[in-house]
Amino acid sequence: DTGVSQNPRHKITKRGQNVTFRCDPISEHNRLYWYRQTLGQGPEFLTYFQNEAQLEKSRLLSDRFSAERPKGSFSTLEIQRTEQGDSAMYLCASSLALEARTAKNIQYFGAGTRLSVL
Amino acid sequence: AQSVTQLDSQVPVFEEAPVELRCNYSSSVSVYLFWYVQYPNQGLQLLLKYLSGSTLVKGINGFEAEFNKSQTSFHLRKPSVHISDTAEYFCAVRFTGTASKLTFGTGTRLQVTL
Repeated sequence: DTGVSQNPRHKITKRGQNVTFRCDPISEHNRLYWYRQTLGQGPEFLTYFQNEAQLEKSRLLSDRFSAERPKGSFSTLEIQRTEQGDSAMYLCASSLALEARTAKNIQYFGAGTRLSVL
Repeated sequence: AQSVTQLDSQVPVFEEAPVELRCNYSSSVSVYLFWYVQYPNQGLQLLLKYLSGSTLVKGINGFEAEFNKSQTSFHLRKPSVHISDTAEYFCAVRFTGTASKLTFGTGTRLQVTL
């Protein structure tokens, strides 16, 4: 168990540029989540995948945001035409969700990608 | 409406003193409750969880929390804190029927000093 891995750890970009983040979940985990955390706030849910299917998207996820999990393993989160308001920590989490044991669906988080939009 | 409230944004405490970090939630459905800790420039680490059974749950680093259904609370406690406990603590709730996403409070900054 190597934990949830996120890359890059830090990203500085200019307004209007596109950025992409990667998340590698714990290997046997079938669910993968993305959260956004702004300064002084708790993480807010963005979206989640069960295997390769994206099952829920928050209203926070504008049209400029897209997430994929093409083979049910790693995931990418892309932000197009970045804005200063996109500056935040983007957190990825993964869990093993078994139908008969949904109570034990525990999310484990990565270290996050800190995005700064200048 | 479903929500999570952490009443204290900052809690200063001296080393070896006890501490309680408060968390309340609002919900019309059953809940699963979690506390996570975040050290500077790091992700979230699970401290403890309440899923069912005993309402007093013990976690890592000597922390414990008690689920009080009537008061809709899940306060985190430690009898004697250490300097290394200085961090941000987040209460999180998974409301049944919400497809497993977590709803977090705004966090409590625990500052332990000598």
